[in-house]
Amino acid sequence: QVQLQESGPGLVKPAETLSLTCTVSGYSISSGYYWGWIRQPPGKGLEWIGNIYHSGSTSYNPSLKSRVTISVDTSKNQFSLKLRSVTAADTAVYYCARAHSSVAPPFFDYWGQGILVTVSS
Amino acid sequence: QSVLTQPPSVSGAPGQRVTISCTGSRSNIGAGYDVHWYQQLPGTAPKLLIYANTNRPSGVPDRFSGSKSGTSASLAISGLQAEDEADYYCQSYDSSLSGSVFGGGTKLTVL
Repeated sequence: QVQLQESGPGLVKPAETLSLTCTVSGYSISSGYYWGWIRQPPGKGLEWIGNIYHSGSTSYNPSLKSRVTISVDTSKNQFSLKLRSVTAADTAVYYCARAHSSVAPPFFDYWGQGILVTVSS
Repeated sequence: QSVLTQPPSVSGAPGQRVTISCTGSRSNIGAGYDVHWYQQLPGTAPKLLIYANTNRPSGVPDRFSGSKSGTSASLAISGLQAEDEADYYCQSYDSSLSGSVFGGGTKLTVL
């Protein structure tokens, strides 16, 4: 059973960097698939942030690309998200998910439970 | 405002059939990109409901079905049940935006 778990600070100050990690269990990241981050502001819809392949190749939402870095650590079976220069508009529940790339676009078949990150001083 | 337009809300009585539309354009659904659907129960993570327009993952009841035509896609739910009350999102790819996009979401109320 594939499981994903987000971890990281729940509170980040404006202008600082949001850093989250997703730990995967039940499947080895190095075996394949893309791995993605999606966020959901309180009371609003879903927004795709970006995906990473186990080899390290990435694709990002153009609206966030200048501030986002997604990386993978296959030795720890984890992948991570960094979002720089955050503002209150980045307050959201952040989900990590496995992206099944057999079709275009990849669909997300396994999701973490989500972590609420609030940007506030 | 998303490039994939969904009705903000739909409703139906138990046992009825409802449909949720996802309207796009020639740069996304109309360009041939697949559409996926997710169900989000209150306070939980989204769950994959339909992938690649019409396919149900294992464990999803056959009351849920998807279709796609032209620049739009639809999710149909038949035999509506109280536990179907949730938010539903479509997802596709937009070539103008160069990335995955989600619809704005539709809240289904079971009367």
